[in-house]
Amino acid sequence: EVKLLESGGGLVQPGGSLRLSCAASGFIFDDYAMSWVRQAPGKGLEWVSAISGVALETHYSDSVRGRFTSSRDTSKNMVYLQMDSLRAEDTAIYYCVKYRGFYGKDFDYWGQGILVTVSS
Amino acid sequence: DIVMTQTPLSSPVILGQPASISCRSSQSLLHRDGNTYLSWHQQRPGQPPRLLIYQISNRFSGVPDRFSGSGAGTDFTLRISRVEAEDVAVYYCMQATQFPHSFGQGTKLDIK
Repeated sequence: EVKLLESGGGLVQPGGSLRLSCAASGFIFDDYAMSWVRQAPGKGLEWVSAISGVALETHYSDSVRGRFTSSRDTSKNMVYLQMDSLRAEDTAIYYCVKYRGFYGKDFDYWGQGILVTVSS
Repeated sequence: DIVMTQTPLSSPVILGQPASISCRSSQSLLHRDGNTYLSWHQQRPGQPPRLLIYQISNRFSGVPDRFSGSGAGTDFTLRISRVEAEDVAVYYCMQATQFPHSFGQGTKLDIK
């Protein structure tokens, strides 16, 4: 059974940093790309980033490029999202999502999500 | 960047009746590998999204066969043959043909 468990969310001041983690299990971790998707309160889904299997490639949305960095640790089956220079508009639930393939095309499994609040 | 546009944004339906949601992309979603990476995701109230349909028309594991997808190029449709109470949710189309990936605005399906 595929499981994705996010952690590391919370309240942070504007301009601050936070690192989200996603613990993955139930599949061969290196073989699949992973993604982060966020949802602001009461709003729709926004794709944030993708990282290919074994981290060969990373991609970001225009809204986070240069501020957020995605990485993965094969030895721990973990995916991370380092978020710097946070803004109020980054407030959202962040979901860890698994792709169906190595380079990231279709999604298949979603995590439960973790709330990030950027406020003074 | 590819913009995804869904219609309608809200759809009141009668239990047992069919429902459909349209999704249009600003560019063709046909990838050079020959696949079209258009998927549909369902988000019930208070829950994370879940995958329903991938590559236009393939139902994901455990998805009831009352859900179906169709389309090609830039125009796609999600159909529910007979709406059940558990189908009350927001439905999103998503393109993963080109980075940055993108979602439609979401269509809220509720019971009339």
